[in-house]
Amino acid sequence: GAVVSQHPSWVICKSGTSVKIECRSLDFQATTMFWYRQFPKQSLMLMATSNEGSKATYEQGVEKDKFLINHASLTLSTLTVTSAHPEDSSFYICSARQVYGYTFGSGTRLTVV
Amino acid sequence: AQTVTQSQPEMSVQEAETVTLSCTYDTSESNYYLFWYKQPPSRQMILVIRQEAYKQQNATENRFSVNFQKAAKSFSLKISDSQLGDTAMYFCAFKEETSGSRLTFGEGTQLTVNP
Repeated sequence: GAVVSQHPSWVICKSGTSVKIECRSLDFQATTMFWYRQFPKQSLMLMATSNEGSKATYEQGVEKDKFLINHASLTLSTLTVTSAHPEDSSFYICSARQVYGYTFGSGTRLTVV
Repeated sequence: AQTVTQSQPEMSVQEAETVTLSCTYDTSESNYYLFWYKQPPSRQMILVIRQEAYKQQNATENRFSVNFQKAAKSFSLKISDSQLGDTAMYFCAFKEETSGSRLTFGEGTQLTVNP
């Protein structure tokens, strides 16, 4: 079946630094990918929709300059958290749209210290 | 705006028993898709079952089945013969046909299967 690979699975970074999270579709082409943020015991909150070859569409309240999304190819989308702060600590999940549904990456736990 | 409501934050069931998780949604569209996703402690999102709104027949996947009531905008998930591995957070999700491809998730129901 379709697989979405997300890396890293966890990362700890210092406040003020930037972190890049990668999301790859391994056996299919993903023209559209989604980035979510999830707090403990809560639902997934859509941050942005990433379209190959064009600018990402951000949800209201999401800082596009802080959360940079690049979807340069049909198999790779990246989320870069710039100048990370402790309040950016969270679980980030990517997802790719397919014909019959959506496939999710395994998530990245980001801790900013 | 579309909304998805899961009114049961937590549920528990004994192993081998049957449990039903509820989900209601709000939309003015006639064509849409409904999903149930499972998120175990590993936090990997796993598709459990999918239903197209234009299909009257309720979807079934092994021990998992849905009760889709379009007029009532209700989409409940029934898990039969519950297993310990079914312990997870379950999310109901909705996707309209006309609004692009975004998913709208409910708040989730934490299901615990007890031995």
